[in-house]
Amino acid sequence: DGGITQSPKYLFRKEGQNVTLSCEQNLNHDAMYWYRQDPGQGLRLIYYSQIVNDFQKGDIAEGYSVSREKKESFPLTVTSAQKNPTAFYLCASSIQAGGRGQYEQYFGPGTRLTVT
Amino acid sequence: GENVEQHPSTLSVQEGDSAVIKCTYSDSASNYFPWYKQELGKGPQLIIDIRSNVGEKKDQRIAVTLNKTAKHFSLHITETQPEDSAVYFCAAMYTSGTYKYIFGTGTRLKVLA
Repeated sequence: DGGITQSPKYLFRKEGQNVTLSCEQNLNHDAMYWYRQDPGQGLRLIYYSQIVNDFQKGDIAEGYSVSREKKESFPLTVTSAQKNPTAFYLCASSIQAGGRGQYEQYFGPGTRLTVT
Repeated sequence: GENVEQHPSTLSVQEGDSAVIKCTYSDSASNYFPWYKQELGKGPQLIIDIRSNVGEKKDQRIAVTLNKTAKHFSLHITETQPEDSAVYFCAAMYTSGTYKYIFGTGTRLKVLA
C-alpha cells in the first residue's frame, strides 16, 4: 500500500464515544486526505491537508476532526456528533496538492469502523 | 456542482474478453483522471491515469482514453483474467481554488472463468 499505514484494520466502539483513526506515511508527501467509503458508493472526502499545520474541510466534514502536526501523520477523530459513523475509512497522500504536475494519490489499507 | 458519473455499476465478462468502464465529469477545468482497482477489504490501488493533454494511454492490458470535448474518459481492459475481478473507481481532479479528487461510484467487474 505504498508506504501508507492505517491502524487498526478493524475498530469497534460504542455509540457516544469519540474514536481516533491513525494514518502515517513515509513517502515524504505534503498532502494527505481522509475519505469515507460506504457500500455501493464512491469515496467521499472528509478532510484534507496540503501542508503541515493546515487542513480544509471536505464534502462531509461534520462530526469529524483532524490535526496535522507532523508531515507524516494525519489522524482522524470520529466524534459522537457523527450520526452514522460505521464505515470504511481510507487515508491517502500525494506528493503535493497538485503542484508541479505531480497529481498521483496513493491510498492506505483502510480502517473499518463499527459503532454499535 | 462537481460530479463524476460512472457506468456500469456491475460488469460480467468471460475470461479473455474485453471490459470497458466509462466515466463522465462535469468540470471542464479538470485536468487529471486516475483509475483505481480495489479488492475486497483493501485500499484502492492506482492502476493507470491520464492527463488532459493526452488522448490515450496504455499499460500492457489496460488503457485509458479521454475525450475532453465530451468530458468523458474510459478504462479498457483486454484479455481479462480472473484476477482482474475487483471494484474499479474513476476519479477527476478539480483545481478550482484547491486540489480535490472526485470519485465515481465504482464498477464491480467479475471475470468468469
